[in-house]
Amino acid sequence: KQEVTQIPAALSVPEGENLVLNCSFTDSAIYNLQWFRQDPGKGLTSLLLIQSSQREQTSGRLNASLDKSSGRSTLYIAASQPGDSATYLCAVRNYIKGGGADGLTFGKGTHLIIQP
Amino acid sequence: DTGVSQDPRHKITKRGQNVTFRCDPISEHNRLYWYRQTLGQGPEFLTYFQNEAQLEKSRLLSDRFSAERPKGSFSTLEIQRTEQGDSAMYLCASSLKAGPISYNEQFFGPGTRLTVL
Repeated sequence: KQEVTQIPAALSVPEGENLVLNCSFTDSAIYNLQWFRQDPGKGLTSLLLIQSSQREQTSGRLNASLDKSSGRSTLYIAASQPGDSATYLCAVRNYIKGGGADGLTFGKGTHLIIQP
Repeated sequence: DTGVSQDPRHKITKRGQNVTFRCDPISEHNRLYWYRQTLGQGPEFLTYFQNEAQLEKSRLLSDRFSAERPKGSFSTLEIQRTEQGDSAMYLCASSLKAGPISYNEQFFGPGTRLTVL
């Protein structure tokens, strides 16, 4: 059974710092990995999607990397801003041998606070 | 707004009552997913549809839960005889599967928060 772990569980840093959020998964047979942002009491906003054949994806100040063989992904946030404060969730879409698809398996998230 | 929408946004009910939630996916998306999220946890997959066919159901989806997508557009999730443990945020997502290999990115709605008293 796929398990996704995110470290750290919480992080508080001053504005302007660069930071890295970590995600690890136990089964490397994945289609893709997706990073989301969730604001309190709200739904999820997709940030980046990395296909299993890719190594990284970039969007603005965000860069996500994927090392499928070691079961790891990182989300790099450059020049953090108070508006980046949210919970960041990592999720993998599992590959099922012989076809078929699966829902996403999520980590518990990293609760990020950027201090003004 | 062309994103995923869910209705209602909040539902408070008494234990033992039935509740139904609705999800409208992004219009061209053929896949629709339901997830449940409890406080401090990541979302957990419940079930998904490709068009009107329900292709996968998690073991979390007990007999009291049923989901439908009759015309391949909107979907409903019904919980019968609600229990306090059903209190959670119920999230819907949609994606587009094109071709034999699916690289689909899932887009989420705002969720329905259920409180069972």
